[in-house]
Amino acid sequence: SQQGEEDPQALSIQEGENATMNCSYKTSINNLQWYRQNSGRGLVHLILIRSNEREKHSGRLRVTLDTSKKSSSLLITASRAADTASYFCATDDFSGNKLVFGAGTILRVKS
Amino acid sequence: DAGITQSPRHKVTETGTPVTLRCHQTENHRYMYWYRQDPGHGLRLIHYSYGVKDTDKGEVSDGYSVSRSKTEDFLLTLESATSSQTSVYFCAISSDRGLADTQYFGPGTRLTVL
Repeated sequence: SQQGEEDPQALSIQEGENATMNCSYKTSINNLQWYRQNSGRGLVHLILIRSNEREKHSGRLRVTLDTSKKSSSLLITASRAADTASYFCATDDFSGNKLVFGAGTILRVKS
Repeated sequence: DAGITQSPRHKVTETGTPVTLRCHQTENHRYMYWYRQDPGHGLRLIHYSYGVKDTDKGEVSDGYSVSRSKTEDFLLTLESATSSQTSVYFCAISSDRGLADTQYFGPGTRLTVL
């Protein structure tokens, strides 16, 4: 069963706009991660946020975590065509034994 | 793809045949994982390893076995391939900081079982 569920399933925006993706999860976590997957490639780690953190930035990426609502959001600012990809959130199973991935959000950035 | 290779990259096989996929890393990381990716399911963990000869089952381990005789190699075997095992298989690694820390993925193997 999936721990993380992304929303929306698909998102299409114009270049230059911001893209926001959300992730909800079910049980307590130690950390939450976001990954990107370009078509036909492996996943690439974007950012990790720990349960005691509320916000984290990396370049054009901003991640927030609300443990009371069991949710996270990934914001990509000033999107580019190269940001077109699938984005996955992943949470640990609190025992710390493994990551559990959601089904992903497909982002299309039109130029 | 951070020092991780998978072989083969593509394979077509027939139902009932055994298949072995190989993951090789040059990072000397302790933890290695096998996932499958199917539309609508994201990535699902098949098996993982926390050291040489130390492995454990994941969410979808039925029909799969693994072996790790060296730090750098993690093998996934489909004992008798079925059409439901048609998928893209990804290997991943992570360091000693913990099983749930950042994972680095290989390029994937696309397996088709006819």
